[in-house]
Amino acid sequence: GAVVSQHPSWVICKSGTSVKIECRSLDFQATTMFWYRQFPKQSLMLMATSNEGSKATYEQGVEKDKFLINHASLTLSTLTVTSAHPEDSSFYICSAGTNYEQYFGPGTRLTVT
Amino acid sequence: LAKTTQPISMDSYEGQEVNITCSHNNIATNDYITWYQQFPSQGPRFIIQGYKTKVTNEVASLFIPADRKSSTLSLPRVSLSDTAVYYCLVGVQTGANNLFFGTGTRLTVIP
Repeated sequence: GAVVSQHPSWVICKSGTSVKIECRSLDFQATTMFWYRQFPKQSLMLMATSNEGSKATYEQGVEKDKFLINHASLTLSTLTVTSAHPEDSSFYICSAGTNYEQYFGPGTRLTVT
Repeated sequence: LAKTTQPISMDSYEGQEVNITCSHNNIATNDYITWYQQFPSQGPRFIIQGYKTKVTNEVASLFIPADRKSSTLSLPRVSLSDTAVYYCLVGVQTGANNLFFGTGTRLTVIP
């Protein structure tokens, strides 16, 4: 139980285009979902926290107009990287939380060329 | 969120016991200590969690002294597949609170 999936697992896009990443909790309903970004050889950095049906809360320094988060249901959150640039290339990881624990997805590798 | 301090890296030979210590001097009364494992290009995986004394599961043990200002993750008889980054996190036990990942410890198991 407690499986979180991400789609796609990797994506390559051209500079200036937008990319959508999906995060799903497959066998449970998540009260909260989190989005992290991880650059090579670095730790995970929290980008934003989202609750179903409400606006996401972004961490300081994360542009909310660039990283659009939609949390449409208790099992699905999406992160859209708009007008992607090469510096947005990173590993994006989501996690889904119940009342007591967080479960992490497998991550999505984004490469912007 | 209590800050954690871990060694940046450790090396160990296969079959040895590995102990990774984490310092969290500002841990709060309600905070739990949780350890995650992360392989390259994968999401973190929960290993073990504890509040005080000792916790053991099928993969690791967690030792927490009485003052709770530090904790030690113990991996018995490591194998090459245990090569990964190990993160120590401190926080209130709830799925609704964001987790702060420190630098982690990069463990390399040598044949």
